[in-house]
Amino acid sequence: NAGVTQTPKFQVLKTGQSMTLQCAQDMNHEYMSWYRQDPGMGLRLIHYSVGAGITDQGEVPNGYNVSRSTTEDFPLRLLSAAPSQTSVYFCASGITGNIQYFGAGTRLSVL
Amino acid sequence: QQQVKQSPQSLIVQKGGISIINCAYENTAFDYFPWYQQFPGKGPALLIAIRPDVSEKKEGRFTISFNKSAKQFSLHIMDSQPGDSATYFCAARSINAGNMLTFGGGTRLMVKP
Repeated sequence: NAGVTQTPKFQVLKTGQSMTLQCAQDMNHEYMSWYRQDPGMGLRLIHYSVGAGITDQGEVPNGYNVSRSTTEDFPLRLLSAAPSQTSVYFCASGITGNIQYFGAGTRLSVL
Repeated sequence: QQQVKQSPQSLIVQKGGISIINCAYENTAFDYFPWYQQFPGKGPALLIAIRPDVSEKKEGRFTISFNKSAKQFSLHIMDSQPGDSATYFCAARSINAGNMLTFGGGTRLMVKP
């Protein structure tokens, strides 16, 4: 099993560009989520999904969009990248919300 | 405003010593408290977790102590080893937020040989 796979591993964007961070899991988990990790801030929840077709906002959703058309995939879209979105992004999945298996992360820089 | 406050931000311990990381929370809707371990370049991984009806849980060298009245919980790493050097995050689950986790700010632990 691959677990939780995130692509790309690294990305550099210019301010105003859009892009999609990909996340796929092969564990048939209902719960999926996106976090951003910033120094001293821990991991902050951006969006989450409790099943295909269902998404909800987390603590810091502004500037990000998600969709969940299948159980396996949960892409995160940056609509118009800003320097404040420079961060490390982690996707996670779980059978329930409290046990989360994390991907290896995407390191994003917005210039 | 972080709902889960973690301290210290960094910690240096000698090999064989005890590492102690503390977390405090205010939200009484939290009902599950896991700890995650993260090595550089990797995603966090679940280490150990506790529910508020238990005051202590031990798994090998790792122990969580939980004080419900004080709304505090801590991770103790006994006989700390250089391989334990990592960033540790406490977290709490809220039944009012889709059962999702809120994380503390993290503690970078270095165990000196």
